[in-house]
Amino acid sequence: DTAVSQTPKYLVTQMGNDKSIKCEQNLGHDTMYWYKQDSKKFLKIMFSYNNKELIINETVPNRFSPKSPDKAHLNLHINSLELGDSAVYFCASTQGTKGVTEAFFGQGTRLTVV
Amino acid sequence: AQSVSQHNHHVILSEAASLELGCNYSYGGTVNLFWYVQYPGQHLQLLLKYFSGDPLVKGIKGFEAEFIKSKFSFNLRKPSVQWSDTAEYFCAVTGYALNFGKGTSLLVTP
Repeated sequence: DTAVSQTPKYLVTQMGNDKSIKCEQNLGHDTMYWYKQDSKKFLKIMFSYNNKELIINETVPNRFSPKSPDKAHLNLHINSLELGDSAVYFCASTQGTKGVTEAFFGQGTRLTVV
Repeated sequence: AQSVSQHNHHVILSEAASLELGCNYSYGGTVNLFWYVQYPGQHLQLLLKYFSGDPLVKGIKGFEAEFIKSKFSFNLRKPSVQWSDTAEYFCAVTGYALNFGKGTSLLVTP
């Protein structure tokens, strides 16, 4: 069983389009995250939700909007895609937020904007 | 805020060579420290972690790391690398989320 699963694995789309990436975890964790990994492999936190509540919202364009329908799901919707949005997006989950313990990562979604 | 710096961005080693990757963090309080590995085209996997106790931590695949509080360091080591260790290695420290270093790309040549 996959602990953290993301769909789709690959996403190629044109500039200006709107797209969504979905993430689900079956670990019973209460906190989920979105990370962006750029072409230089740098991992940057974007958002974090704890029990469906937004707790981390880094400096990310308003075109990115996370949604957490329940604590097992965290989706990422991106409006008006730009070339610079091309990256690999990783979902992760942990149990708790303070003194964060081990994070489990999804397989990543490679987004290519053309 | 907690931050992590990794000293080596690209490392090339021959098989059987010893590995040490540097990691320093900036935070004076209690921290949890991690090393993650990302094999080509794959997601991040936990190599090892330090929360408390013995500062020498053993992880999977023969990796170990030593937490030296006085130096704010958590260096990763392996006595003898294999070709299959070719990957990106990330040091991370907990804060309100996992904060990652910029990663070290390790290439092991046969």
